Amino acid sequence: EDQVTQSPEALRLQEGESSSLNCSYTVSGLRGLFWYRQDPGKGPEFLFTLYSAGEEKEKERLKATLTKKESFLHITAPKPEDSATYLCAVQARDNTDKLIFGTGTRLQVFP
Amino acid sequence: DAGVTQSPTHLIKTRGQQVTLRCSPKSGHDTVSWYQQALGQGPQFIFQYYEEEERQRGNFPDRFSGHQFPNYSSELNVNALLLGDSALYLCASSTFRGGELFFGEGSRLTVL
Repeated sequence: EDQVTQSPEALRLQEGESSSLNCSYTVSGLRGLFWYRQDPGKGPEFLFTLYSAGEEKEKERLKATLTKKESFLHITAPKPEDSATYLCAVQARDNTDKLIFGTGTRLQVFP
Repeated sequence: DAGVTQSPTHLIKTRGQQVTLRCSPKSGHDTVSWYQQALGQGPQFIFQYYEEEERQRGNFPDRFSGHQFPNYSSELNVNALLLGDSALYLCASSTFRGGELFFGEGSRLTVL
């Protein structure tokens, strides 16, 4: 069964304290792995798509990496405005477009 | 360029009632997917519409149905509402077999 597990569930960081969020997945053939940011009561905001092991993508203070079993979202020198829930999702190479989401990591960055 | 728009943003219903939620996709997108997000959980896939037909369906009962119109907009209908249907309902648009899904802000449904 296709599955996504994110850790930790919650993370509190001091402003400027870099860290990483983990997304472990099992899928019958990976078509793509997606990272989204979600603010409370809002829809997910697209961040990155990764397609193959070894791929990396960056956007401001965020960098996403992908291996054959997991993905990491590295946050460098975070700011309070980076506080949000970060969702990871996979899309299988099974002739469907559906995304299978993890439960997310709730990040709080305090001054 | 307008992104994905959903309406209404919030609504309250009672058990047994029916609800219709609406979605307009991002400009240039022809495919609409619907997701249900319970509090503290990740979104769960309900179904996808393309060319006015339901193409894929997740593990949701027949009480959940939908429609896509010629202008690519879509509706989600839920009949015989249960307390457990309370959730944030998200619409996502994309191009068929395309890459990224872009989400709307969601419709928060509360069933009393």
